Amino acid sequence: EVRLVESGGGLIQPGGSLRLSCAASGFNVTTNYMSWVRQAPGKGLEWVSVIHSGGRSYYADSVKGRFTISRDNSKNTLYLQMNSLRAEDTAVYYCARERYSFGNWFDPWGQGTLVTVSS
Amino acid sequence: QSVLTQPPSVSAAPGQKVTISCSGSSSNIGNNYVSWYQQLPGTAPKLLIYDNYKRPSGIPDRFSGSKSGTSATLGITGLQTGDEADYYCGIWDSSLSAWVFGGGTKLTVL
Repeated sequence: EVRLVESGGGLIQPGGSLRLSCAASGFNVTTNYMSWVRQAPGKGLEWVSVIHSGGRSYYADSVKGRFTISRDNSKNTLYLQMNSLRAEDTAVYYCARERYSFGNWFDPWGQGTLVTVSS
Repeated sequence: QSVLTQPPSVSAAPGQKVTISCSGSSSNIGNNYVSWYQQLPGTAPKLLIYDNYKRPSGIPDRFSGSKSGTSATLGITGLQTGDEADYYCGIWDSSLSAWVFGGGTKLTVL
């Protein structure tokens, strides 16, 4: 079964750092495109970052220079290192596998992990 | 302000049909393929439609997708109370080098 499980969320003060993890099963994270998507409370989906199978990564302007996406083949896990956190980074963070054919799409999604940035 | 524009809400009676629009531009919908996601209350998003109109296995044919120019549409027929959810369109925007989503549409089955 293809599955993603996020962890690492919690309450963190503004300016702090946090690392999210996304453990994959049923497929290999290093041979797939993998993304992080977040959802602020009561708001819509906002894409955060993607890492391609070749290692190239892209970031939303809102997190560029503060967040870093990475992966560990031995643990089959995707990570999101979040530094200089702000109140507006408060959200549920989902990891998702990106598939592609003619276009691209996200499937599956993890259950999400909540990050709360507050003093 | 989302790059893709969706109506905030739509509603219809059980058994009826509803459509949800997603309007973009030539840098996204006009030159790429749209996907649609269903988010039931309190759960993670789930893929409904990919490559504009294709359904993953397990998604009933009550759900359909189409695209014309710089707009896409999700259609749901035979509405059920269990279809009450938020629906999002999404696509890779080649000019932004970023994924963009619509603001989401809340479906109410009256």
